[in-house]
Amino acid sequence: AQKVTQAQTEISVVEKEDVTLDCVYETRDTTYYLFWYKQPPSGELVFLIRRNSFDEQNEISGRYSWNFQKSTSSFNFTITASQVVDSAVYFCALSEAILGGTASKLTFGTGTRLQVTL
Amino acid sequence: EAGVAQSPRYKIIEKRQSVAFWCNPISGHATLYWYQQILGQGPKLLIQFQNNGVVDDSQLPKDRFSAERLKGVDSTLKIQPAKLEDSAVYLCASSLRGQGARVTGELFFGEGSRLTVL
Repeated sequence: AQKVTQAQTEISVVEKEDVTLDCVYETRDTTYYLFWYKQPPSGELVFLIRRNSFDEQNEISGRYSWNFQKSTSSFNFTITASQVVDSAVYFCALSEAILGGTASKLTFGTGTRLQVTL
Repeated sequence: EAGVAQSPRYKIIEKRQSVAFWCNPISGHATLYWYQQILGQGPKLLIQFQNNGVVDDSQLPKDRFSAERLKGVDSTLKIQPAKLEDSAVYLCASSLRGQGARVTGELFFGEGSRLTVL
């Protein structure tokens, strides 16, 4: 069975601080996909990134960066120089396959609520 | 491009009553998902459609929940009779299928329908 653990329930930082959101996953599949989604107060989940299990290269996109380590089954997300607009709940998720462009059965973690204050 | 539309945004009902939620996915998206998000938890997949066929409904409580996507476009999720533990946000998502090299597995979510069962 697949499982995603986000041990940090809530994190509060002051604007411009760096913050790392942890994600640990469990799966028996050799090929799988990891995602991060952001859920602002409006409610809709917004896709941030997808990573394949066979590609451990870390990725940076602006102030966001992701550290995928297969050896520790972790896929951590770092926001550099956080801003108030980053305040949201962030979910890590795991998919067993992507078939024809469609993710199958995303398993989500319980989320980490990030509060960025001035 | 219009996003995933859901209605109603909020619904309050008594236990044992019935309720229906509607979702209109992004135009051209063949895959449609219904997720249940209980407060403080990550979304859990209830059912996945590919066009008008069911791909996965293994976590749908079929004694009280039903969903249909008759014409392969919009979808309705019904709960009858509702229980207190059905209080949650019901999220609809859609995704593209078969886009060749552009395979992200990204799901596009609506803002959700918040159900309160009293």
